Amino acid sequence: AQSVTQLDSHVSVSEGTPVLLRCNYSSSYSPSLFWYVQHPNKGLQLLLKYTSAATLVKGINGFEAEFKKSETSFHLTKPSAHMSDAAEYFCVVSGASGGYQKVTFGTGTKLQVIP
Amino acid sequence: GAVVSQHPSWVICKSGTSVKIECRSLDFQATTMFWYRQFPKQSLMLMATSNEGSKATYEQGVEKDKFLINHASLTLSTLTVTSAHPEDSSFYICSARVRGRYEQYFGPGTRLTVT
Repeated sequence: AQSVTQLDSHVSVSEGTPVLLRCNYSSSYSPSLFWYVQHPNKGLQLLLKYTSAATLVKGINGFEAEFKKSETSFHLTKPSAHMSDAAEYFCVVSGASGGYQKVTFGTGTKLQVIP
Repeated sequence: GAVVSQHPSWVICKSGTSVKIECRSLDFQATTMFWYRQFPKQSLMLMATSNEGSKATYEQGVEKDKFLINHASLTLSTLTVTSAHPEDSSFYICSARVRGRYEQYFGPGTRLTVT
């Protein structure tokens, strides 16, 4: 079975402060993990991905995430939030299931950035 | 690179009519395309997976006769909502994946409103 849990439905930070969006996963096999961002009424944009290479992954717009197998986590961080970071963020796990790749989305975390 | 477009971006139709949504990969060949549905303030729900030249694989609970998917070429997939009803109103998002890669590239979405 495969699942992904985003622990916070809403996160609110002040501009210039660090961002932490939490994601935990479960997968029977070594999964690939992704973070996507969605701005209102827009499609999803890939922020970063982990595919069994370096465990600390750097993405676009200053975001990064660390794959921690022992904690089954893939939390998204950014040192300093910007107003333009306000959006919905989805953690996604992709793993083998029944002979094909199964993709599972988290329920999303809405990031609010306060000026 | 890896741009996916959708057309139309929004459409309003009358109950009982059919609507076709196009999904195109503009600068790469997509061996697999996915169709998702997103309800307000919710995560994406995978509707179906289509591989070029073969029939789409529908997720449980998705009516294949109502949501017709065609993946005629490596750059184009279409979703036709047949005999649309107000409950079909939603945000439909497509994504595309290259063979051998796990990440998906998303289109900007299509807002369907059935009156």
